[in-house]
Amino acid sequence: EVKMVQSGTEVKKSGESLRISCSGSGYTFDYYWIGWVRQRPGKGLEAMGIIYPDDSDTKYNPSFEGQVTISVDKSRRTSFLQWKSLTAADTAIYFCARTQASSWSATFDFWGQGTLVSVSS
Amino acid sequence: IQMTQSPSSLSASVGDRITITCQASHDIKDYLNWYQQKPGKAPKLLIYDASNLETGVPSRFSGSRSGTHFTFTISKLQPEDFATYYCQSYNHLSSFTFGPGTKVDIK
Repeated sequence: EVKMVQSGTEVKKSGESLRISCSGSGYTFDYYWIGWVRQRPGKGLEAMGIIYPDDSDTKYNPSFEGQVTISVDKSRRTSFLQWKSLTAADTAIYFCARTQASSWSATFDFWGQGTLVSVSS
Repeated sequence: IQMTQSPSSLSASVGDRITITCQASHDIKDYLNWYQQKPGKAPKLLIYDASNLETGVPSRFSGSRSGTHFTFTISKLQPEDFATYYCQSYNHLSSFTFGPGTKVDIK
């Protein structure tokens, strides 16, 4: 059974750094992309980027390039989403998802439960 | 890619047939997926590559494509289908796009 399990709720202050995690199990971790998706309170879904664990190839949605860092530790079957300096605008639920991707398509097929990040000013 | 999803919301009754559409700004071939999200839950993949039903998803859900126009249909709405539905696509310039969502609630 494929499972994506994310780290717990984070409460931070503006300017602080943060790294949240997503662990995959039940499949060959190295050979499926992992994607990250943001959902601000009461809003829709925004895809942030995807990473390929085998070689750490990373593709960012242009609006998130330079704002966050997506990384992976394949020995721990875990992907990470990291901020150097949070702002209130980063308050959201962040989902990870196993992703089947090619040059022309990306499908988020198994999702984590989400990590709530709350940033106060 | 720009995805124009409509309607933004709709009210329907159990047993109704409902249709949601997504219009892509340019040719994305069949590379469009549909997701369901219930309040407080993660999204769930229902349809991939325009018309393929994900494993375990009931057959009352379906998808189709005509050029750059995509349609998602629930043939007979069930109580558990009241949720928000999103279309999603991707292009080779790393542009992942979700539609703005359609909230389906009880009439």
